[in-house]
Amino acid sequence: DAGVIQSPRHEVTEMGQEVTLRCKPISGHNSLFWYRQTMMRGLELLIYFNNNVPIDDSGMPEDRFSAKMPNASFSTLKIQPSEPRDSAVYFCASSLAGTEHSNQPQHFGDGTRLSIL
Amino acid sequence: GQNIDQPTEMTATEGAIVQINCTYQTSGFNGLFWYQQHAGEAPTFLSYNVLDGLEEKGRFSSFLSRSKGYSYLLLKELQMKDSASYLCAVLDSNYQLIWGAGTKLIIKP
Repeated sequence: DAGVIQSPRHEVTEMGQEVTLRCKPISGHNSLFWYRQTMMRGLELLIYFNNNVPIDDSGMPEDRFSAKMPNASFSTLKIQPSEPRDSAVYFCASSLAGTEHSNQPQHFGDGTRLSIL
Repeated sequence: GQNIDQPTEMTATEGAIVQINCTYQTSGFNGLFWYQQHAGEAPTFLSYNVLDGLEEKGRFSSFLSRSKGYSYLLLKELQMKDSASYLCAVLDSNYQLIWGAGTKLIIKP
């Protein structure tokens, strides 16, 4: 079975540019998570969706960040305009969530390594 | 607030046993996960505990004590490939996963 698929794997761009990260969750999973990971702050939850609906976006750092999930098989995380401090690894994860599925782990994509110059 | 504590870094010798501890204070508890993350890679699932006791899975075992808010991951017969970060995460009362900062495990020959 295909795992969580993220693109691009690497992105290097200049500050001020728009960045769009993409994610395809595992088929059948009903929850999708966007994380950011840095050495300083570790793994941070940015936003998560349940059945394509954003449930908690309290981790989104600023209005420059936005995320969408137009359907069950696709999500985007957009940064506009990007800044050097946004440089990090961004992971997308999916799971089968709910009270009856509490033992189901999150499955992570390979991540996007983002560098803003 | 919600808090998960793990040691930042540990060192162990190839072939030995190491125990990585995790203590947590969360609003409710619906299970605890351990993940392994090799440098430059994504976290991968290792274990899940929701009841007290020890769960064994090959060379890796995970223990939970809900009354103490405590878990540990036990790695036996350490191999060089076990060098990685190990992340503890707790599912709280809202079924949200709260992550620890991770423990970097260094294996020496």
